[in-house]
Amino acid sequence: DAGVTQSPTHLIKTRGQQVTLRCSPKSGHDTVSWYQQALGQGPQFIFQYYEEEERQRGNFPDRFSGHQFPNYSSELNVNALLLGDSALYLCASSLGQAGEKAFFGQGTRLTVV
Amino acid sequence: SQQGEEDPQALSIQEGENATMNCSYKTSINNLQWYRQNSGRGLVHLILIRSNEREKHSGRLRVTLDTSKKSSSLLITASRAADTASYFCATQGGSYIPTFGRGTSLIVHP
Repeated sequence: DAGVTQSPTHLIKTRGQQVTLRCSPKSGHDTVSWYQQALGQGPQFIFQYYEEEERQRGNFPDRFSGHQFPNYSSELNVNALLLGDSALYLCASSLGQAGEKAFFGQGTRLTVV
Repeated sequence: SQQGEEDPQALSIQEGENATMNCSYKTSINNLQWYRQNSGRGLVHLILIRSNEREKHSGRLRVTLDTSKKSSSLLITASRAADTASYFCATQGGSYIPTFGRGTSLIVHP
């Protein structure tokens, strides 16, 4: 049983560009949450998707958007990249909106130059 | 903003010793969870304790929760080199948005 898989593992982008990160949840999970983790910090909640809709959102600008597909996989899109967007982006899946006992992917390391 | 704050920021011990790390938070919670992260990769869920529970055990892990002091502790007994990692607490309140602290970096020397 595959856990949470994220792609790509590493990415380098230029300021102003757009990026799409992908996540496949653990089998049987229906909820996907995205986090941003800057170096030396804890993960910061970006948003959560359940039943193909954004259900919860953290304190992130509209440049951050997402999508969930009928098979529960999800994408995170970031437009107009800033240097400060450089971080590890983590996807977590869980069963149900409460999001307890989440399973995390290995993350995508995004570097904006 | 981060609600949970772990203490200490870094902890260095010898294999076989116990490691204790603490988490303080500011607002009321439904549950508190501890996660481990190896070398900046994905987080692994360790244990969840609900607001009406005071103590939970899982293998070599013991977690306590004191809601009156808004604090929790994670005790790892008989530590191993493989326990070297960063440990985060995450609180969930009514909205169920998980709020993570900055973490405690644990180094266990063989």
